[in-house]
Amino acid sequence: DIVMTQSPDSLAVSVGERATINCKSSQSILYSSNNKNCLAWYQQKTGQPPKLLISWASTRKSGVPDRFSGSGSGTGFTLTISSLQPEDVAVYYCQQYCRAPDTFGQGTKLEIK
Amino acid sequence: EVQVVESGGGLVQPGGSLRLSCAGSGFTFSNYWMSWVRQAPGKGLEWVSNLNQDGTEKNYVDSVKGRFTISRDNAKNSLTLQMNYLRPEDTAVYYCARDDYGYDVWGQGTLVTVSS
Repeated sequence: DIVMTQSPDSLAVSVGERATINCKSSQSILYSSNNKNCLAWYQQKTGQPPKLLISWASTRKSGVPDRFSGSGSGTGFTLTISSLQPEDVAVYYCQQYCRAPDTFGQGTKLEIK
Repeated sequence: EVQVVESGGGLVQPGGSLRLSCAGSGFTFSNYWMSWVRQAPGKGLEWVSNLNQDGTEKNYVDSVKGRFTISRDNAKNSLTLQMNYLRPEDTAVYYCARDDYGYDVWGQGTLVTVSS
């Protein structure tokens, strides 16, 4: 199985500052059919189901604020929130969907400093 | 509105069975892979099982193989997870999710508690 490892486990950032979350896969998650990485980012607020923010490592879903961006390739990926807002407090998960079983990172808890 | 709604959770004794259902609406259910993802209390997300569009390809996480069975009825826009021989470690919120290169539609989840 592909192991997804996120860092850090928790993060506190001031409002308006940049937040960066990293995700590393234990092997390549490049999808040969389109040469894109099968990497998704989710946001889960307390008491809610997860929400898909980004797929294919960098494609933002419709309606997701443009302060959220994804980058990376190969085995290293990053979610960046360019200017943290209070409503961004949540746990963030990365996930690979290239090779069964789909696997998630352990989550990164993002708080306001 | 595109949505999925889970039902069927509850309290069950170890070794017991439970059947979860998921109803899809607002989209062409038969066009999508569907998945079950669970989250134990205070823990992270764990993919459990998925099923392709016509029900011919099924996958399971190792810990539920031989105990859980996923199925679908496209005529009724429904997904089912039959859970047998339940263990305390199966206690979690179970989410149904539309699987489209990332899980883009999630239900609110249904809580399964396995305890004596």
